[in-house]
Amino acid sequence: DTGVSQDPRHKITKRGQNVTFRCDPISEHNRLYWYRQTLGQGPEFLTYFQNEAQLEKSRLLSDRFSAERPKGSFSTLEIQRTEQGDSAMYLCASTPGQGARNTEAFFGQGTRLTVV
Amino acid sequence: QQQVKQSPQSLIVQKGGISIINCAYENTAFDYFPWYQQFPGKGPALLIAIRPDVSEKKEGRFTISFNKSAKQFSLHIMDSQPGDSATYFCAALRGSGNTGKLIFGQGTTLQVKP
Repeated sequence: DTGVSQDPRHKITKRGQNVTFRCDPISEHNRLYWYRQTLGQGPEFLTYFQNEAQLEKSRLLSDRFSAERPKGSFSTLEIQRTEQGDSAMYLCASTPGQGARNTEAFFGQGTRLTVV
Repeated sequence: QQQVKQSPQSLIVQKGGISIINCAYENTAFDYFPWYQQFPGKGPALLIAIRPDVSEKKEGRFTISFNKSAKQFSLHIMDSQPGDSATYFCAALRGSGNTGKLIFGQGTTLQVKP
């Protein structure tokens, strides 16, 4: 399978705990995005990387959130001191970033986070 | 600020009918408009996309109609099938100098009755 892969698929955590999610993009894609989707809403942009550089962060990304893409391949999204309002689906997407189809975004299946 | 507004929120169509979902945008710098299909528990999947230099794009049973002056675009699903039952999202993206950041509508839940 050469699609975008996310792990874990589901995560239940207690409020105040830290969680980390992983995303493996399509191998030749140099842009990677994180989105958050709450129930009944469309995905909302959180942050994106061009190779290993984090180029934009949304105001939705509080100081408790940090994302990395250390070698320009996979990415991690960490949430510290989780709150119930962090409960959502966290989606990763990748795009080629260049060429005629540079804007076609391919999404992973998401990580469903539940904070109890 | 909701930059892409989508309607209706939900839609029920009989098998074989036409499903129509509408979106309106505000930012005239947007120049790429994709539609995504999402099944429960799955990530969104790109269905079809259009750029504003054309007024219509058709792929199989799916057609996007685009009205640049009205800043509106719509998805038409012809001969709707029960397997089309899913949530559909329109989105918009500013291309030039772009981040590739998609702005999504709120979604439309489509139910196609057999």
